[in-house]
Amino acid sequence: EPEVTQTPSHQVTQMGQEVILRCVPISNHLYFYWYRQILGQKVEFLVSFYNNEISEKSEIFDDQFSVERPDGSNFTLKIRSTKLEDSAMYFCASSDPSSGYEQYFGPGTRLTVT
Amino acid sequence: QKEVEQDPGPLSVPEGAIVSLNCTYSNSAFQYFMWYRQYSRKGPELLMYTYSSGNKEDGRFTAQVDKSSKYISLFIRDSQPSDSATYLCAMSAYGNNRLAFGKGNQVVVIP
Repeated sequence: EPEVTQTPSHQVTQMGQEVILRCVPISNHLYFYWYRQILGQKVEFLVSFYNNEISEKSEIFDDQFSVERPDGSNFTLKIRSTKLEDSAMYFCASSDPSSGYEQYFGPGTRLTVT
Repeated sequence: QKEVEQDPGPLSVPEGAIVSLNCTYSNSAFQYFMWYRQYSRKGPELLMYTYSSGNKEDGRFTAQVDKSSKYISLFIRDSQPSDSATYLCAMSAYGNNRLAFGKGNQVVVIP
């Protein structure tokens, strides 16, 4: 069964460093998303991406965040200068508008900022 | 008022019992409703998806939506220890739109 994959599973970085989180969405899906979940809190929407551009973003997704689809399979989230409060699980998701609006999530990357 | 409210529990039930979970929401624009299961430190796994009021059944799972009351439910029949997880409700206003999540309901099924 097709699934969303994410790498790395765990990333530790120092405050102020740049990190790139990687995702491979399900191959025929056209919409891609990033969410995050701070420990003990709700899953929060960050950004959605369609047709090589951002279709929607939340107030969390400020100038330190960016997304990119560098090739036909990968979808990345970059955090330019990490802060302690960026420590969270980051989930990538994808959906296929031709078959419904269900979003399928990857296993997540646990980001720890020290 | 929070956009999506879900009582976090935890909820402990004996094996074989019916588990009943629910969420309320305030945004009348929500049209698509999902239930996810999440194991500790893992990604949300889609269980049920519906976009209309009424019931939808899939095996031991039934999802119920009442748009007039802004209330959704998930029922798990014949619960198993493997059903022990956190259950998240999520909803969106239109297709391929951001999901708004509830806080999650931790369920423990005791053998």
